[in-house]
Amino acid sequence: QVQLQQSGPRLVKPSQTLSLTCAISGDSVSSNIVAWNWIRQSPSRGLEWLGRTYYRSKWNYDYELSVKSRITVNPDTSKNQFSLQLNSVTPEDTAVYYCARGRLNGFDYWGQGTLVTVSS
Amino acid sequence: IVLTQSPGTLSLSPGEKATLSCRASQSVTNNLLAWYQQKPGQVPRFLIYSTSYRATGIPDRFSGSGSGADFTLTISGLEPEDFAVYYCQQYGSSPPTFGQGTKVEVK
Repeated sequence: QVQLQQSGPRLVKPSQTLSLTCAISGDSVSSNIVAWNWIRQSPSRGLEWLGRTYYRSKWNYDYELSVKSRITVNPDTSKNQFSLQLNSVTPEDTAVYYCARGRLNGFDYWGQGTLVTVSS
Repeated sequence: IVLTQSPGTLSLSPGEKATLSCRASQSVTNNLLAWYQQKPGQVPRFLIYSTSYRATGIPDRFSGSGSGADFTLTISGLEPEDFAVYYCQQYGSSPPTFGQGTKVEVK
């Protein structure tokens, strides 16, 4: 059974960096048949995919255009986890953030979600 | 690809049939369209993939259909636990995108 456990600060100040980690059990971050994703949800934006990393002979990264200049998703093979960094946050980045495993047909396993509030 | 779901809210009684629509702004590659259920305060639950295949453990009262740019989720007889928000999502083109959701509420 795949489980994803999220961790990270729930309060971030404007202009600072939002950092979250997703620890994987029951699968490998280096699997060559899945992708590891970050998705957020807010009342104003709904469900919004942010980015992913996946391994296919080498590490690959895809990002949503609207956050591409501010986002990094990184795998950590030593801890079997992956992370999200979102720089220069504003109150509009306040949302519930989810990590999720992606297969060809959708997101089948999700982390528990982390409400991150951007406020001074 | 922009996904538009309708109606925004569906008011039905337990036992009734629910029909939810998801329309894409362009054809969804290989009909890679999924559906999720979300209850208040919970994580989205994977229901349907590739338009019509139920995910593991999903009851057969949930069914998906459609092709191209028009897709439907049908719940054949609503159980009390089915009242929730449902989202469609396409995975055929990058970036993956979600619809805005349809709320199925008790009439």
